[in-house]
Amino acid sequence: EVVLTQSPATLSLSPGERATLSCRASQTVSNLAWYQQRPGRAPRLLIYDASTRATGIPARFSGGGSGADFTLTISSLEPEDFAVYYCQQQTSWYTFGQGTKLEIK
Amino acid sequence: QVQLQESGPGLVQPSQTLSLTCTVSAGSISGSGFYWSWIRQPAGKGLECIGRIYASGSTNYNSSLKSRVTISVDTSKNQFSLRLTSVTAADTAVYYCARVSSSWRHFDYWGQGILVTVSS
Repeated sequence: EVVLTQSPATLSLSPGERATLSCRASQTVSNLAWYQQRPGRAPRLLIYDASTRATGIPARFSGGGSGADFTLTISSLEPEDFAVYYCQQQTSWYTFGQGTKLEIK
Repeated sequence: QVQLQESGPGLVQPSQTLSLTCTVSAGSISGSGFYWSWIRQPAGKGLECIGRIYASGSTNYNSSLKSRVTISVDTSKNQFSLRLTSVTAADTAVYYCARVSSSWRHFDYWGQGILVTVSS
């Protein structure tokens, strides 16, 4: 099973700042997606195939990386961006990272 | 836009069977070319994919749950279902149904989730 490790566990930033979230896989993966989850809500797909924004996702969200190292960047944080973010891969089976909580500083 | 809605009991007794149904609207399960999946999330924890089903009935399960899980589909009702046997407190979680994308690599539409508590 591919293990995804996200860092940091918690990221404290202010609105308007830039956020960079990391996801590292235990082996090379062929694809990676990112999701946002607000409290009490279902996850929402943000990025797939490492760098493609899902329908309706603002341009301030961008994804990068390849192989086993990936990043999600939010260029300028809006108040609604403070949430938990998960990465997910599908090489042999679907696995998720443990999440990064993005909180207001 | 595709919508998914979970339904079923919110409380299940230990050792019993958890049964949930996902109703899909604004999109057909039959002939759609998509897989449909169940994912769960224990309180304060991460996400775990339980399994997926194609409209034909072909299934794939998480190896850690395979011995206890059955996912089935009813195309006439545009629904798919989850059965998880011999539940324990460790199965307490929010259960989501979701659509697997056309590339089969990620989940593009999700239901709102349903909390299932295993307790006597």
